[in-house]
Amino acid sequence: AQRVTQPEKLLSVFKGAPVELKCNYSYSGSPELFWYVQYSRQRLQLLLRHISRESIKGFTADLNKGETSFHLKKPFAQEEDSAMYYCALSGFLGSQGNLIFGKGTKLSVKP
Amino acid sequence: DAGVTQSPTHLIKTRGQHVTLRCSPISGHKSVSWYQQVLGQGPQFIFQYYEKEERGRGNFPDRFSARQFPNYSSELNVNALLLGDSALYLCASSLSPERLYEQYFGPGTRLTVT
Repeated sequence: AQRVTQPEKLLSVFKGAPVELKCNYSYSGSPELFWYVQYSRQRLQLLLRHISRESIKGFTADLNKGETSFHLKKPFAQEEDSAMYYCALSGFLGSQGNLIFGKGTKLSVKP
Repeated sequence: DAGVTQSPTHLIKTRGQHVTLRCSPISGHKSVSWYQQVLGQGPQFIFQYYEKEERGRGNFPDRFSARQFPNYSSELNVNALLLGDSALYLCASSLSPERLYEQYFGPGTRLTVT
């Protein structure tokens, strides 16, 4: 079964501390992995995708096919990072045609 | 461009009624997807349309249907509403089905079934 698991519903850290939001997936084939973010009262938006290998707002995520994980990391959390984060997967280059989302992790960065 | 727009913003319906939700994609986007987001869960895929054709359907009952119009806007219809249909319904658009990484989400329609 195709599935995305985000084990933490809530992650609370202090400003300046490292952050790691966990994501594990189950998919038969070559998946494309994404992280989406939803700030308070804003729309769901793409943060990054594994293919681009970019660092967006200081966040990075590496696809580990052996561990079927795509954890999101940031070395120094900022208060403005507080938001809801969703890990999602799709078939490679949209071959599946839709996104499968995890349940999300709420990140709270305290001053 | 205002981005993806959805109407109405909020809606309250009674069990057994039907509802129509509307979505206007970003100009130039020909693919529209619908997702249901129940409180505390991530979005769950319902439908994808491209060039007015259904390209994908999630695990939802036949009470859910959708269509896409020549101007690429889309409607989601739900018949015989159940309490469990209460959710935020999200619409997303992209240039094509393959470009999910360029999929933009609307603000959603909050449906409450009483």
